[in-house]
Amino acid sequence: GAVVSQHPSWVICKSGTSVKIECRSLDFQATTMFWYRQFPKQSLMLMATSNEGSKATYEQGVEKDKFLINHASLTLSTLTVTSAHPEDSSFYICSAVRSPGQGVDEQFFGPGTRLTVL
Amino acid sequence: AQTVTQSQPEMSVQEAETVTLSCTYDTSENNYYLFWYKQPPSRQMILVIRQEAYKQQNATENRFSVNFQKAAKSFSLKISDSQLGDTAMYFCAFMKPSNTGKLIFGQGTTLQVKP
Repeated sequence: GAVVSQHPSWVICKSGTSVKIECRSLDFQATTMFWYRQFPKQSLMLMATSNEGSKATYEQGVEKDKFLINHASLTLSTLTVTSAHPEDSSFYICSAVRSPGQGVDEQFFGPGTRLTVL
Repeated sequence: AQTVTQSQPEMSVQEAETVTLSCTYDTSENNYYLFWYKQPPSRQMILVIRQEAYKQQNATENRFSVNFQKAAKSFSLKISDSQLGDTAMYFCAFMKPSNTGKLIFGQGTTLQVKP
């Protein structure tokens, strides 16, 4: 299979602090990873596309200075929520696309991270 | 720009019965992929079924099948012999092959399977 992990699964932090979420592809290489945000009973909202070795591409309306994305290797992307505030509380999901030559461009999703900012 | 619309926010079905979830999309592309994803209460996204636009034959995966109508830009999901474990939120999604796997999701349909 193609497994994607996220860590932590749940994090509570104080307002003003920064939180880092890791997304790892465990058994395949991922040139591209995606970060989503999901509110209860709503769809996934794409925040940014993360490409290994280059800057992330952010969707319109997403603050790149607030949501820092780093894709330093073919198996790891990180999302850092800087100076978190209660309105940043949400469920964050990452997904990874297998690199070309290893299969079709199917997205494999992580289990998500629930962020609560007090 | 592509859009995906799921017009049924919530649906319910009795266990063992059949239910169909609707999805329409808008695109000017001729080649693309369509997906149905399931998100159970655990919130783990699970791929249910995939359809390539160039294939006329409707995709099937065990109890799950699609009705793909390319001209009508419709992509419905039929779940046969519904099981309690099918209770989840279901998302229809669109992808252009050249877009490095970027998905465009519909709003989702919450399906409740009743015993």
